[in-house]
Amino acid sequence: KAGVTQTPRYLIKTRGQQVTLSCSPISGHRSVSWYQQTPGQGLQFLFEYFSETQRNKGNFPGRFSGRQFSNSRSEMNVSTLELGDSALYLCASSAQQGMPTEAFFGQGTRLTVV
Amino acid sequence: QKEVEQNSGPLSVPEGAIASLNCTYSDRGSQSFFWYRQYSGKSPELIMFIYSNGDKEDGRFTAQLNKASQYVSLLIRDSQPSDSATYLCAVISNFGNEKLTFGTGTRLTIIP
Repeated sequence: KAGVTQTPRYLIKTRGQQVTLSCSPISGHRSVSWYQQTPGQGLQFLFEYFSETQRNKGNFPGRFSGRQFSNSRSEMNVSTLELGDSALYLCASSAQQGMPTEAFFGQGTRLTVV
Repeated sequence: QKEVEQNSGPLSVPEGAIASLNCTYSDRGSQSFFWYRQYSGKSPELIMFIYSNGDKEDGRFTAQLNKASQYVSLLIRDSQPSDSATYLCAVISNFGNEKLTFGTGTRLTIIP
């Protein structure tokens, strides 16, 4: 069974640009969550999607957005990049709603903003 | 007060000994508790999850949950050098969503 796949693995962008990251969850998983990890702030929740609907959102500015497709694949977009957006962006998938189940992480996308 | 607190360490434990990692949380209504291991440069890997008060054992790992005291711990028996990593405690507050709130992690070093 394939794990969570994130693409690309590495990105270098310039301030002011926008970026789109992709996440394919484990087959059969319908919940996809996104996290930002930085040395200073640790792992912080961005948002969660379930059945193409955003079910939860963290405390990030509106420059951070996401969506989920009918096949459960998800994308997140960051517009007008800032230096502080440099981080490891992690996607996690889990199986079901209701009773929380284990979330499995992808390898992440390391974004560097210069 | 942070929602999930962990001692950042580093915690050094001799090989073969028991490593004890602790985590406290502020939301008394929290429902689910997870321990993740993260090697440097890698993504978090789920080790254990626990929902009910008491102990849950899986191989060398034991998770302990005390909802009255709002703490959860992870014991690693017979510690191995390969256990050296950062251990992240995570909490889900409400059923019906999958938002994990993480502690900042405890860096564990197993000394051969």
